[in-house]
Amino acid sequence: EAGVAQSPRYKIIEKRQSVAFWCNPISGHATLYWYQQILGQGPKLLIQFQNNGVVDDSQLPKDRFSAERLKGVDSTLKIQPAKLEDSAVYLCASSLLKFTDTQYFGPGTRLTVL
Amino acid sequence: SQQGEEDPQALSIQEGENATMNCSYKTSINNLQWYRQNSGRGLVHLILIRSNEREKHSGRLRVTLDTSKKSSSLLITASRAADTASYFCAETQGAQKLVFGQGTRLTINP
Repeated sequence: EAGVAQSPRYKIIEKRQSVAFWCNPISGHATLYWYQQILGQGPKLLIQFQNNGVVDDSQLPKDRFSAERLKGVDSTLKIQPAKLEDSAVYLCASSLLKFTDTQYFGPGTRLTVL
Repeated sequence: SQQGEEDPQALSIQEGENATMNCSYKTSINNLQWYRQNSGRGLVHLILIRSNEREKHSGRLRVTLDTSKKSSSLLITASRAADTASYFCAETQGAQKLVFGQGTRLTINP
């Protein structure tokens, strides 16, 4: 079974630039999550989709972050414009149905904002 | 934030010894999960314990849950160098999401 795919693996940008991350979840998984993990901390949920609907985006900084899940499969997370404090690893995860199900994580995208 | 706390923040032991990590949380939970993160394999699910369970085993892992004290512990027996990683507890809250703790960084010395 293929795992969760993410790209790119690494990205370096300057502040105020834009960046986009892509995620392809495990086939058949209805629920997709984007997490932000700052160095030394645990992952923090940014947004949770079930199929192509948003379940929770309460911790997504909506003035600069946006996410979409087209056709209930792939997802993109965008930051525009980036700030220094956005430097982190962005993790995508998927689960079969509910948030209580085991979540399977991708390798993450390490973002550095200079 | 309803994020739980893990203790200790860092733990260093000799190979072959047992490692115990603790997690405390603040709200009622549906279940509690433990994850491992290392540079090689990313974040990997280890074990899930439901709120009506008290103990669960998986290979060299043993997880306990005490809902009266709002705490859980992860025991790794007969540690190996490959167990070197960060370990996170994650609680599923009524807010319908998984909330991760800060993690315990475990180092196994040869």
